[in-house]
Amino acid sequence: KNQVEQSPQSLIILEGKNCTLQCNYTVSPFSNLRWYKQDTGRGPVSLTIMTFSENTKSNGRYTATLDADTKQSSLHITASQLSDSASYICVVSLNNNDMRFGAGTRLTVKP
Amino acid sequence: NAGVTQTPKFRVLKTGQSMTLLCAQDMNHEYMYWYRQDPGMGLRLIHYSVGEGTTAKGEVPDGYNVSRLKKQNFLLGLESAAPSQTSVYFCASSYERPRGPYEQYFGPGTRLTVT
Repeated sequence: KNQVEQSPQSLIILEGKNCTLQCNYTVSPFSNLRWYKQDTGRGPVSLTIMTFSENTKSNGRYTATLDADTKQSSLHITASQLSDSASYICVVSLNNNDMRFGAGTRLTVKP
Repeated sequence: NAGVTQTPKFRVLKTGQSMTLLCAQDMNHEYMYWYRQDPGMGLRLIHYSVGEGTTAKGEVPDGYNVSRLKKQNFLLGLESAAPSQTSVYFCASSYERPRGPYEQYFGPGTRLTVT
């Protein structure tokens, strides 16, 4: 069982709409949580990194939230663009330097 | 500043053949990693290195070997390729340990097919 679960697996939205992607994790001891964007055929690119004490972090139209008590994170995308079509990966880093990757959410933005 | 580069981009091997994947980074990072990415699964760590001359096993190391003779290069070797090693391989590097809030930079990936 993957210890970092992302939902939904895939999502289709219209250009200009907002969306929220979810990440639930069970691993511990938690150190930080990362969100990556991975375009088709390319490597992941970091969007945000949040430590235990941070509960929100923004990067342009991307806003990540973290609730370390419930072990949940979300990535909110505002005013989506066609270029937002990609896979979004949630990664939890542990205090022992292990990193656990979610399987990702595949987002498609249609005109 | 090229970041993290990987060669080759694509490769097809026959079962039993060997090959080496090369990863290079020009950011003077101490930490380097090799991952594999399979459909429907998260990236899984194969091997990693915390500095020149050091290597360590990750989550799925069987069938792979690595070397870090120079700080900027991290090589992944398949001694006897198997169909189960068909995957996309990503190299990554970071300035410091993952438990710290340090960026991890990924290469573009190598798509390997073993027939």
